[in-house]
Amino acid sequence: DTGVSQDPRHKITKRGQNVTFRCDPISEHNRLYWYRQTLGQGPEFLTYFQNEAQLEKSRLLSDRFSAERPKGSFSTLEIQRTEQGDSAMYLCASSRNREGNEQFFGPGTRLTVL
Amino acid sequence: AQKITQTQPGMFVQEKEAVTLDCTYDTSDPSYGLFWYKQPSSGEMIFLIYQGSYDQQNATEGRYSLNFQKARKSANLVISASQLGDSAMYFCAMRAREGYNKLIFGAGTRLAVHP
Repeated sequence: DTGVSQDPRHKITKRGQNVTFRCDPISEHNRLYWYRQTLGQGPEFLTYFQNEAQLEKSRLLSDRFSAERPKGSFSTLEIQRTEQGDSAMYLCASSRNREGNEQFFGPGTRLTVL
Repeated sequence: AQKITQTQPGMFVQEKEAVTLDCTYDTSDPSYGLFWYKQPSSGEMIFLIYQGSYDQQNATEGRYSLNFQKARKSANLVISASQLGDSAMYFCAMRAREGYNKLIFGAGTRLAVHP
C-alpha cells in the first residue's frame, strides 16, 4: 500500500530563486491538500484540490505561490522569487471523499532559503 | 473563528503508563470533526484517531482513545501503556463544516516517554 510521496525531501535555494515541489497522493484519493509548517508550529492550510479543480486557497498563498494538479493525480507547488520567510516544511496530504475524511500526509519537503 | 488550543507544550510519561494530552477547540459550526496526528522527528504526520461531532461514543483505535466532551469543547487524547516509540509531537486538529476540507491544527504537545 503506497502512501503519499513528496519530492524533493530537502531543498536549499538562494533568495530570489524559483522552486517547485511535487506530491503524489495515494492513488484512489481524489482530494489533495498542501500545508506549510514552520518550526514549533502546527501545519497551516495552503490550498485544496478535488480532482484537478483547486477549490480553496488560503490567504497565506500569496501571488508568488501557485499550485496545480493537471490530471487530478500528482500536484506541484511552485514558489517564485523565494524569500527567507518561505523557509518551512511543505506538507502534502490526500484523502478520500467519505465520512471522517482523514487526511494522510506525505513526508514533507523542507525548504531552506538562504 | 475556529481555533484549536493545546496548552501543554511538553509532557513526559513513564513507559507502560497512560498519558492524556489536552485539546480544546472553538467553533460555532454544529458539524465538525476532530483529529489527532503524531509527528515523529522524521517529520511525517501520522493519523491516529478521528471523532465526529455527532458521534455518540468516544473513538478508540488500539492504544489510543479520544475523550470527547462536547459541552466543554474538549477532545483529549489518551494513550494507554506508553511505549518508547510514542515519543513525538502530537497535534490536535479540527475540520469544520461539511465540504470544507482544511484542517486547523493546534501548536502541538511534545511527548517524551521515559524507560
